[in-house]
Order: sequence, then structure tokens, then C-alpha cells
Amino acid sequence: KAGVTQTPRYLIKTRGQQVTLSCSPISGHRSVSWYQQTPGQGLQFLFEYFSETQRNKGNFPGRFSGRQFSNSRSEMNVSTLELGDSALYLCASSWDPAGVSYEQYFGPGTRLTVT
Amino acid sequence: GQQLNQSPQSMFIQEGEDVSMNCTSSSIFNTWLWYKQDPGEGPVLLIALYKAGELTSNGRLTAQFGITRKDSFLNISASIPSDVGIYFCAGLWEYGNKLVFGAGTILRVKS
Repeated sequence: KAGVTQTPRYLIKTRGQQVTLSCSPISGHRSVSWYQQTPGQGLQFLFEYFSETQRNKGNFPGRFSGRQFSNSRSEMNVSTLELGDSALYLCASSWDPAGVSYEQYFGPGTRLTVT
Repeated sequence: GQQLNQSPQSMFIQEGEDVSMNCTSSSIFNTWLWYKQDPGEGPVLLIALYKAGELTSNGRLTAQFGITRKDSFLNISASIPSDVGIYFCAGLWEYGNKLVFGAGTILRVKS
């Protein structure tokens, strides 16, 4: 079974631009969560989608948004990029049979650099 | 949200040594997960624990779900160079619906 895939793996953007990152979960997994990882802050939860609905949201500004499609694939978008948005963005999927996400499986991440 | 305190922050050990790290909280957790992250990659799930007192092994790795349900431990026996990386604990708070992650333990191994 293929793992979680994320595209692109690396991205360089300029301040003020916007960016869209993509995540394809493991086949059969319906929950997709997004995390931001920086050296000083560790893994910070952005949001979680289940059945095309945002189920949980972390403490990030409205510039960070996401969505999930009917095939469970998910995208996250960051508008008006700031230098501090430079990070590794990780997507994780889980099967979620009981309505609660656990045993999350991570993709390789997208390394975003904002200049 | 509920916080997890992971310790130690970093370890620099000799190849062949055993390693212990732990995760603690003041709150009760129903699930504990341990992940390893290699540089530039996403975390990989190592062990999942679901019951208080549960002890689970995965090769040279052994993890335990604390009896109080407020902590978990990960041990690595006979460390090798490829054990290098960041180890994260993650837990599902008894009243929560999303995972909470510890800050990670950086493991370095001297060969």
C-alpha cells in the first residue's frame, strides 16, 4: 500500500505570494491533518479534515486554510506569505474508524522557504 | 490543550548503549504513540499503545503505557548509528479528539 505523498517536496516563494501544498493520504484513510514544523516550535497542528469537513483547527491565522476533496486528497493554502512561514509542512493521514484520529501516518513533507 | 513534557531534550550516546526517554503529562491520555523522524523526512510511527500498563516491542525498541495513564516510556537497546534522529511522543488526551505531540528527543550516536 502506498504511503502518504506530498507535493511538491521543496518550494521557494517570495514574501507576499501565496502557495498551495498537496497531500494524498494512504488509500482508505479518510482523515488528513496538517502540521507546521520549525526548529524552535516543534510540530504545530494546523487543521484536520475528515469527509471534506474541517473537524479541528489549531491556532494559526486565517492566512492558513485547507480543504479536502471527495477522494480524501487535501490541499493547504497559505496566502500573503511571511518570512516566518518558512517551515516543513507535514501532512498525516489516519483511518479513523471511531471518529477520533490516532495512528497518524506522515508524508515526507514539503519544505517551504520564503525569501 | 493538554501538554506533553518529553525528556531528555537531547542525548549523545556511545554505539551499543541502551537509551531511555519518556513523556509525561498532568492529564490522562488514552493512547500513546512514538515516532522517529530522520532529517528532512516525515515522522515514522514506531509503536502505538492503547492500554495502561501495556508493554510493546518493535525490534530493539520497547515502549510502555504508564499505569497512571499520564506517562509513557521508550527504550532502545544496543543503539546503532541509524538510530540517530528525533523521537517524538504523541498522545490522545482522554477528553480530546486530536493528537498532542511532545517537543522531541534528539538522539545522536557515537560510533
